[in-house]
Amino acid sequence: DTEVTQTPKHLVMGMTNKKSLKCEQHMGHRAMYWYKQKAKKPPELMFVYSYEKLSINESVPSRFSPECPNSSLLNLHLHALQPEDSALYLCASSQGSGGRHADTQYFGPGTRLTVL
Amino acid sequence: GENVEQHPSTLSVQEGDSAVIKCTYSDSASNYFPWYKQELGKRPQLIIDIRSNVGEKKDQRIAVTLNKTAKHFSLHITETQPEDSAVYFCAALKRNYGQNFVFGPGTRLSVLP
Repeated sequence: DTEVTQTPKHLVMGMTNKKSLKCEQHMGHRAMYWYKQKAKKPPELMFVYSYEKLSINESVPSRFSPECPNSSLLNLHLHALQPEDSALYLCASSQGSGGRHADTQYFGPGTRLTVL
Repeated sequence: GENVEQHPSTLSVQEGDSAVIKCTYSDSASNYFPWYKQELGKRPQLIIDIRSNVGEKKDQRIAVTLNKTAKHFSLHITETQPEDSAVYFCAALKRNYGQNFVFGPGTRLSVLP
């Protein structure tokens, strides 16, 4: 299995809702990432988990809360979002250890989030 | 921190011609440079990458060159085809700094039939 999967594909939520985005990989990768991508912009790193521990948090507002239940799963919990948070949310994974392909990131298809 | 610039922002070529996209980075400690292709509504897909200990890498019609002294790297696509039309992103990574990729702003490539 060489894929990163994400659910749901699309999500529409109000500013008072609580929802979660899910990401899964079965490549044995030990690093997983959340990115936010606005239209016509590059992916912007939000969080990095390495060996199930949060290693980078790029000053993301607390209304986004990541969780890594195990080495294959990554969640992003959403609460009290703003309309400007509407974007494509991409998950990625990489081997996260030494080796020739350790740094190569594989992206999931993304969740297109709309906040009303 | 790292800053990655990418040029041009848009590029139109005739089918069969070559396309070149150039990126510059600011941090000399960066040591891994991937290129991603993103079609409309789809995920970024890795097309080629290069490490700082290599000057050039080629994979069929795609090649990447790296000039560490000048801190720039370039993507070369030869014999372009309409299906090469997409947005291309370069990125730079400092391997020992928490795997924090910094992406360039992207180049929209259009291959005209």
